[in-house]
Amino acid sequence: EVQLVESGGGLVQPGRSLKLSCAASGFTFSNYYMAWVRQAPTKGLEWVASITNSGGSTYYRDSVKGRFTISRDNAKSTLYLQMDSLRSEDTATYYCTRDRGSLDYWGQGVMVTVSS
Amino acid sequence: DVVMTQTPVSLPVSLGGQASISCRSSQSLVHSNGNTYLHWYLQKPGQSPQLLIYRVSNRFSGVPDRFSGSGSGTDFTLKISRVEPEDLGDYYCLQSTHFPRTFGGGTKLELK
Repeated sequence: EVQLVESGGGLVQPGRSLKLSCAASGFTFSNYYMAWVRQAPTKGLEWVASITNSGGSTYYRDSVKGRFTISRDNAKSTLYLQMDSLRSEDTATYYCTRDRGSLDYWGQGVMVTVSS
Repeated sequence: DVVMTQTPVSLPVSLGGQASISCRSSQSLVHSNGNTYLHWYLQKPGQSPQLLIYRVSNRFSGVPDRFSGSGSGTDFTLKISRVEPEDLGDYYCLQSTHFPRTFGGGTKLELK
């Protein structure tokens, strides 16, 4: 059974950093692209970033480019999202997803609140 | 960026009835490899989104055949027949032909 479990969320002040993790199990992690998707409170879904299976290529939405870094450790079957220079508009639930073009499996999500 | 326009925003339905949701893209979703990467999701209240349909018309594992997807190019439709209580929630389309991947704004399926 595919499982994706996010951690690392919380309350953080504007301008500070936070690192999210996503532990994957139930599939061969190193064979798949992975992605982060977020959802601001009461809003729709927004793709944030994707990474190839080797980690050699990454893709970001414009609003997080230069501030967020997606990475992975295939030996640990873990996906990361390093979020720097956080802004109030980054407040959202962040979902880890397996990216096969379709985002076929999703974690339960982790809440990030950016506020002073 | 590819803009995904989803209609309607709200869709009241009766149990046992039929629902239809439209998703239109601002440019063609046909990839250079010939595939069309348009997918549909359901997010039930308080839950993570779940994949229903991938690449226009393919039902994901465990998805009942009451759900069907169709369309091509820039115009796509999700149909739900014989609506059941567990079908209620927010529906989203997603295009992954182009980066950045973009979602439609969502359609809330609710009881009439």
